Amino acid sequence: ETGVTQSPTHLIKTRGQQVTLRCSSQSGHNTVSWYQQALGQGPQFIFQYYREEENGRGNFPPRFSGLQFPNYSSELNVNALELDDSALYLCASSYAKGAYEQYFGPGTRLTVT
Amino acid sequence: GQNIDQPTEMTATEGAIVQINCTYQTSGFNGLFWYQQHAGEAPTFLSYNVLDGLEEKGRFSSFLSRSKGYSYLLLKELQMKDSASYLCAVRDGLGDYKLSFGAGTTVTVRA
Repeated sequence: ETGVTQSPTHLIKTRGQQVTLRCSSQSGHNTVSWYQQALGQGPQFIFQYYREEENGRGNFPPRFSGLQFPNYSSELNVNALELDDSALYLCASSYAKGAYEQYFGPGTRLTVT
Repeated sequence: GQNIDQPTEMTATEGAIVQINCTYQTSGFNGLFWYQQHAGEAPTFLSYNVLDGLEEKGRFSSFLSRSKGYSYLLLKELQMKDSASYLCAVRDGLGDYKLSFGAGTTVTVRA
């Protein structure tokens, strides 16, 4: 059974650019949540996808968007990057949207210059 | 909104016990979670409490008091590998999907 994987591991972008981050769920999981973790802080919920539909959103602007595919893998897209978007982006998968245990991937470290 | 507070840092000696406290103020409550996160790695699930009381799992135990909005994570027989950040997270409603995290407590275990 493979765990949650994310790509790329690290990424450097310039302010104003766009970025796409990818996440492959753990086998059998149909729900993916995305979190942003700034240095020294806890993860902040961005949004969740359940069976290809957005299932809730945190306090993030519309330039943060996502997709979930039929195989339950997911993408996080961020447009018009700002310096404050520099963070570790984590995805977490679970069996169902209410499942209590979420399994986190290793994250993508995004640096915006 | 959620307000979740935990100490920033704690230091303890190998073999000792450390207790990490977490207080929360939420509009609803449907479970409190503890995660361990080593530097540069993903958070890993440690425990889940939804009813009052103590849950024990090996060297780690977690306690919850819903009336006080309080939880603690107890780490016994500390090992060097326990040096990590410990995150307290709350799910705030029945069927709710998101976790609201505290800023984390960095525990340093010294020989």
